[in-house]
Amino acid sequence: EAQVTQNPRYLITVTGKKLTVTCSQNMNHEYMSWYRQDPGLGLRQIYYSMNVEVTDKGDVPEGYKVSRKEKRNFPLILESPSPNQTSLYFCASSTGGGGPYNEQFFGPGTRLTVL
Amino acid sequence: AQSVSQHNHHVILSEAASLELGCNYSYGGTVNLFWYVQYPGQHLQLLLKYFSGDPLVKGIKGFEAEFIKSKFSFNLRKPSVQWSDTAEYFCAVNGPYNNAGNMLTFGGGTRLMVKP
Repeated sequence: EAQVTQNPRYLITVTGKKLTVTCSQNMNHEYMSWYRQDPGLGLRQIYYSMNVEVTDKGDVPEGYKVSRKEKRNFPLILESPSPNQTSLYFCASSTGGGGPYNEQFFGPGTRLTVL
Repeated sequence: AQSVSQHNHHVILSEAASLELGCNYSYGGTVNLFWYVQYPGQHLQLLLKYFSGDPLVKGIKGFEAEFIKSKFSFNLRKPSVQWSDTAEYFCAVNGPYNNAGNMLTFGGGTRLMVKP
């Protein structure tokens, strides 16, 4: 089944404790991205990756890191989480390229709480 | 940078009422337009999309949207809503291609509640 998976689905952590949220897709998509969803703000893009080893900042990259060593995986890293990073996070993938193939497929979400 | 506005944050309708949700974006040029739906507790799913051609696009579950380039708008419509349409709806814009690469900019969302 074609899908985007994220782990963990729920995470409660404390300020400053490094964490990684994994994202994996099995559709051989070039493009992957991370969003955070906050009430009233919709989804805001954190980082995106056009392909392996190619990443770029989205609208709200501060406090986050990403890597794209393999096509299928795109982990989101919070080196020193803070309470303002409490949010619902979605990973997405698409064939990318800016053309007519960029319908994005979303993962199930990771609800992160930073105390 | 591209921005997307959804003017209605909360909409409450009775079943069988007609629905129109507004969406406006700020930066013209060649853009791709999407409406996504998020049912309670679920991830986002694509309702419909516009890339080119007929500005009236039809999506799943009886939804449609009209792209009006002169108004920078892409409003979502459904003639008769059902209780199962209760969800949050997001408009999203990709592009313009020569400026925003493959970034997708979302509106703030409209939470629709349909009363049975």
